[in-house]
Amino acid sequence: DAMVIQNPRYQVTQFGKPVTLSCSQTLNHNVMYWYQQKSSQAPKLLFHYYDKDFNNEADTPDNFQSRRPNTSFCFLDIRSPGLGDAAMYLCATSRDYREGNFGPGTRLTVT
Amino acid sequence: SQKIEQNSEALNIQEGKTATLTCNYTNYSPAYLQWYRQDPGRGPVFLLLIRENEKEKRKERLKVTFDTTLKQSLFHITASQPADSATYLCALDMNQAGTALIFGKGTTLSVSS
Repeated sequence: DAMVIQNPRYQVTQFGKPVTLSCSQTLNHNVMYWYQQKSSQAPKLLFHYYDKDFNNEADTPDNFQSRRPNTSFCFLDIRSPGLGDAAMYLCATSRDYREGNFGPGTRLTVT
Repeated sequence: SQKIEQNSEALNIQEGKTATLTCNYTNYSPAYLQWYRQDPGRGPVFLLLIRENEKEKRKERLKVTFDTTLKQSLFHITASQPADSATYLCALDMNQAGTALIFGKGTTLSVSS
């Protein structure tokens, strides 16, 4: 089945230690998104790619970076995680900004 | 700034009744609006998309309306079941400007038997 895969499902990192979350898709969608979701809050868009074009949201901290080496893969790098970065990170894909297909998410814990 | 509001954080109804959830937005002219379901600890799951030129969309027990004058969408679940208990999120996309999905905070629906 075509899907969005996120690895790992649970990630524990230390305060200030860089961490990378990964996302892959078999849907061949041109748009990939990264969202941050904290408890009882809306998913917050961090950035997205339209094909290779990177679109950063204005309020996304510089601490968050992203890479999309090819259509299928997208990475979220957190350069120096703080306690406030503990959250669920959701990857999603779509074709031309239409219905979003979400992965199961990666739960990040910062100790 | 752009803002999406969903009418209440929680909605409790009895099985068999119709649940109605509201999504209001300001400072947008979305080309379409989407509704998602999210269960605890999981990613959102797409339910319905309605375009700005459509008044109503149906899928099985789900119905969505879209009033661009009122800047409001209503999401209905008829004959609700306990399995419908979840958080429902509305999401918007900008008309022709080509930005990505922006979500509301969601309404948590609880259906009791």
